[in-house]
Amino acid sequence: GQNIDQPTEMTATEGAIVQINCTYQTSGFNGLFWYQQHAGEAPTFLSYNVLDGLEEKGRFSSFLSRSKGYSYLLLKELQMKDSASYLCAVYPSTGKLIFGQGTTLQVKP
Amino acid sequence: DVKVTQSSRYLVKRTGEKVFLECVQDMDHENMFWYRQDPGLGLRLIYFSYDVKMKEKGDIPEGYSVSREKKERFSLILESASTNQTSMYLCASTERGTGANVLTFGAGSRLTVL
Repeated sequence: GQNIDQPTEMTATEGAIVQINCTYQTSGFNGLFWYQQHAGEAPTFLSYNVLDGLEEKGRFSSFLSRSKGYSYLLLKELQMKDSASYLCAVYPSTGKLIFGQGTTLQVKP
Repeated sequence: DVKVTQSSRYLVKRTGEKVFLECVQDMDHENMFWYRQDPGLGLRLIYFSYDVKMKEKGDIPEGYSVSREKKERFSLILESASTNQTSMYLCASTERGTGANVLTFGAGSRLTVL
């Protein structure tokens, strides 16, 4: 079967660093996405990884290890506006994107 | 700056009613998708379309149908709404192409079936 796991909820403090993990088991692999979704809003694209390693974009970085079926999203210098759900999604060989359940991050002052 | 528009943000319908959810994109994208989003289950693909008048079943098509008469518009139809179809429905689109393309989502339509 195809499966994506991420923690349901996380809490962190403003200014801190938080790492949101995502593990996956899929038939084939053509890339992994991270999306951000604020409450009541559309998900928006954060990052795409298809090769192993770390991709950095400002305060956000995403890491991929294909051999381990593992990715993480790293958020630095957390701000209150980072409170949102973070969706991990994988492109398997079927070509249909599979989403994890999403991780709701709460940033506290 | 709106790119994917879902006409209804909130709907309340009764069991057995026919429900139309409309989605329009202004990016000239070939591919359009309908997902439903439920707590603890994430986004699940209902139907998608690669071209006008073409449709493909996703992972949970039962109880739904779709229509794509024009490139920019993709409609989701619930022929006879049931309470288990109470959910958030998200429309998305991408450019044509092989491999992974970034989805652009609409803001969602929250449907409650009583």
